[in-house]
Amino acid sequence: QKEVEQDPGPLSVPEGAIVSLNCTYSNSAFQYFMWYRQYSRKGPELLMYTYSSGNKEDGRFTAQVDKSSKYISLFIRDSQPSDSATYLCAIPKGGNQFYFGTGTSLTVIP
Amino acid sequence: EAGVTQFPSHSVIEKGQTVTLRCDPISGHDNLYWYRRVMGKEIKFLLHFVKESKQDESGMPNNRFLAERTGGTYSTLKVQPAELEDSGVYFCASSQGPGGVYGYTFGSGTRLTVV
Repeated sequence: QKEVEQDPGPLSVPEGAIVSLNCTYSNSAFQYFMWYRQYSRKGPELLMYTYSSGNKEDGRFTAQVDKSSKYISLFIRDSQPSDSATYLCAIPKGGNQFYFGTGTSLTVIP
Repeated sequence: EAGVTQFPSHSVIEKGQTVTLRCDPISGHDNLYWYRRVMGKEIKFLLHFVKESKQDESGMPNNRFLAERTGGTYSTLKVQPAELEDSGVYFCASSQGPGGVYGYTFGSGTRLTVV
């Protein structure tokens, strides 16, 4: 079983839609959860991180963790064409490594 | 500040040849990481330097891969001899302190194709 599972998509939505991106993880001991955004031909950039359960909001982005279900989500409100990218969930392994999901490709259509 | 710089951005080599990838981290970042993404798979950890020392190389696939970090500045990743399964995107990342909780800054990657 992989440590982190992510639906690869692709996901295509109209501008202004609410987007939901999701990952599941296997180890209930994980405490920190991150979302990276990767534009085409670029490296991943850290978008948000959360600790333990609950929600964290940053502008149009909300990260949510449900530890009972081992499920993490990223919501994008009022999606914009500039949000078109691949979104990766990442979980610190311990030390300085991360487990990454395979990424979900998102296209926001104007 | 300048970001993490990797070169070349693309490399196409024949099976059996040698390739050296280079990474220049953000100035002052002691921690440097190499990751790799093989097509269709997730990004996977290769190794971690703290300054010039290898802190963790548990992700290195085999002894055809050699990473160095001269003087704690830039790093190189050499693949010798290259095999077809080595094709993928190699990312370098750096962080000032431990990046395990707060993440790190990635470079744009080197896309390696072995034919």
